[in-house]
Amino acid sequence: GIQVEQSPPDLILQEGANSTLRCNFSDSVNNLQWFHQNPWGQLINLFYIPSGTKQNGRLSATTVATERYSLLYISSSQTTDSGVYFCAVERYNFNKFYFGSGTKLNVKP
Amino acid sequence: NAGVMQNPRHLVRRRGQEARLRCSPMKGHSHVYWYRQLPEEGLKFMVYLQKENIIDESGMPKERFSAEFPKEGPSILRIQQVVRGDSAAYFCASSREGASNQPQHFGDGTRLSIL
Repeated sequence: GIQVEQSPPDLILQEGANSTLRCNFSDSVNNLQWFHQNPWGQLINLFYIPSGTKQNGRLSATTVATERYSLLYISSSQTTDSGVYFCAVERYNFNKFYFGSGTKLNVKP
Repeated sequence: NAGVMQNPRHLVRRRGQEARLRCSPMKGHSHVYWYRQLPEEGLKFMVYLQKENIIDESGMPKERFSAEFPKEGPSILRIQQVVRGDSAAYFCASSREGASNQPQHFGDGTRLSIL
């Protein structure tokens, strides 16, 4: 399988701060998604980003497939951003996602 | 445009009972994936199905677990003779085609608790 490493494992921010979450993976991938798991356990799809850069409001993501990493940027964090952020990758024709262990984010008011 | 629907949201079973988890994919999606999330961990792949076919069950425990995706109706993940270690959140995802180059859309999960 593919090894997916996320860092940092835990992050505490003051409301309004910015942060960068990182996802490294051990092999070439053709599919990468970022998810936010909220405190109720729901998985929210943030980005489908096998390569390149995308932005959605205060969130943006960049994947450099040739160097096997992806970054998720959160700007002007809010308490509702709290939860666990997962990166998931898939190799061509493997038809399954490999998830990282997540970054647990706590945004304090 | 309903997303992936899973039910029940919460399921409580006693040891030795059977658990049935249901997943209806998004409209137009014919590929279904099941994942399991143990407490404080990431999701782990269990099985990939298309209509009436199991394509990849490499992540499924060999005993007590089975999955199906019939021609009509939802996909079912079935756990027989449940044990405490089966307590977890079970997520279903669907895609329009095989996952390669297609995003997977996840349901809200079923939280299974074994007493």
